[in-house]
Amino acid sequence: AQSVTQLGSHVSVSEGALVLLRCNYSSSVPPYLFWYVQYPNQGLQLLLKYTTGATLVKGINGFEAEFKKSETSFHLTKPSAHMSDAAEYFCAVRPQGAQKLVFGQGTRLTINP
Amino acid sequence: EPEVTQTPSHQVTQMGQEVILRCVPISNHLYFYWYRQILGQKVEFLVSFYNNEISEKSEIFDDQFSVERPDGSNFTLKIRSTKLEDSAMYFCASNLGQGDTQYFGPGTRLTVL
Repeated sequence: AQSVTQLGSHVSVSEGALVLLRCNYSSSVPPYLFWYVQYPNQGLQLLLKYTTGATLVKGINGFEAEFKKSETSFHLTKPSAHMSDAAEYFCAVRPQGAQKLVFGQGTRLTINP
Repeated sequence: EPEVTQTPSHQVTQMGQEVILRCVPISNHLYFYWYRQILGQKVEFLVSFYNNEISEKSEIFDDQFSVERPDGSNFTLKIRSTKLEDSAMYFCASNLGQGDTQYFGPGTRLTVL
């Protein structure tokens, strides 16, 4: 069965520092890949997604992610963290032929002033 | 911008009672989903619904659960006889096409006492 692993349940960075949230998936066939963000008391909001084509995907709020098939990874980055980036981030995959999303356990991002 | 809405935001119930969680998907969407997140755990897929029938379900979605689209706008999840372990945040999602981005509601926190 498809699984998603997010390294680090909690990541803390300083304002202005690089944000790197890690995501690895298990699949011999590349799935569709997603990053969602959840702000307090809100639903899951799509940050970005990879389906086909260019492996570097740009999303909202300055985030981007790179699909690396050889590493089965889809890490999320942002060059300079902002206080408003503090939230829970979820990596998810949609296995080919399926409708459901399979989520990682989430990473809580804290931004230090 | 259209959004998925869910009511109530928080539901408290006694073990053994029936609960109905309500969702209003985005109006022109055709596919509907329920996910849940037990505190501290991953977001898990429960069921997907298309053309007035279940199209995919997980092993979590047993006979205690049912879904319905009673009136063309609401999408409901019913739990017939709640258990303590049903306590979780329940998210509704919808999308226009099978491969399209799923848009999530803010969730309903269900607490079973």
